[in-house]
Amino acid sequence: SYELTQPLSVSVALGQTARITCGGNNIGSKNVHWYQQKPGQAPVLVIYSDNNRPSGIPERFSGSNSGNTATLTISRAQAGDEADYYCQVWDSGTVVFGGGTKLTVL
Amino acid sequence: EVQLVESGGGLVQPGGSLRLSCAASGFTFTTYGMSWVRQAPGKGLEWVSTISDSGGSTYYAVSVKGRFTISRDNSKNTLYLQMNSLRADDTAVYYCAEGTPGSYFDYWGQGTLVTVSS
Repeated sequence: SYELTQPLSVSVALGQTARITCGGNNIGSKNVHWYQQKPGQAPVLVIYSDNNRPSGIPERFSGSNSGNTATLTISRAQAGDEADYYCQVWDSGTVVFGGGTKLTVL
Repeated sequence: EVQLVESGGGLVQPGGSLRLSCAASGFTFTTYGMSWVRQAPGKGLEWVSTISDSGGSTYYAVSVKGRFTISRDNSKNTLYLQMNSLRADDTAVYYCAEGTPGSYFDYWGQGTLVTVSS
């Protein structure tokens, strides 16, 4: 079965750029979606189809996908960006989520 | 405004059954696929099942196939998840999410907690 690998945690200084990776075999051939989840809340879609932002998501959030790695980039990180982030793809009729990355803003 | 409201969670004994419901509003329910995603306490997201807009196609995670059944009533704008032969590792918050097969999950409900314990 297809697997997505994310780092358990990423730290970023306030105002700097955070990059969260999502690794998978030839993931560049798939559409990758990203979700943000804050404690006690439902997930929120922040990037869809590799690099598209839903309405209401700040331009600071961007995505890329190539080869075996997809990346969520958060520019000018704010305290409110602290959350868990999950990548997601469809593969062979099933949905696969990455294990999630906890983003800490220092 | 899109709203997804789950109900039906609770405490159930191992081997028991439960039916979850998700009432949808604020969008044309009949034109969107729908899904269930769960999250065990302190763990990550785990996809459970997806159904197409017409209900004609369904998809299941290996962990629930044969025990859970997803369905929908388009006349009532409601999504269901029938859960049978429940096990302790089915304990989780179950989220209803709008999402077409092969795509992403646009909107999520707030979740309903299912606890499987004796």
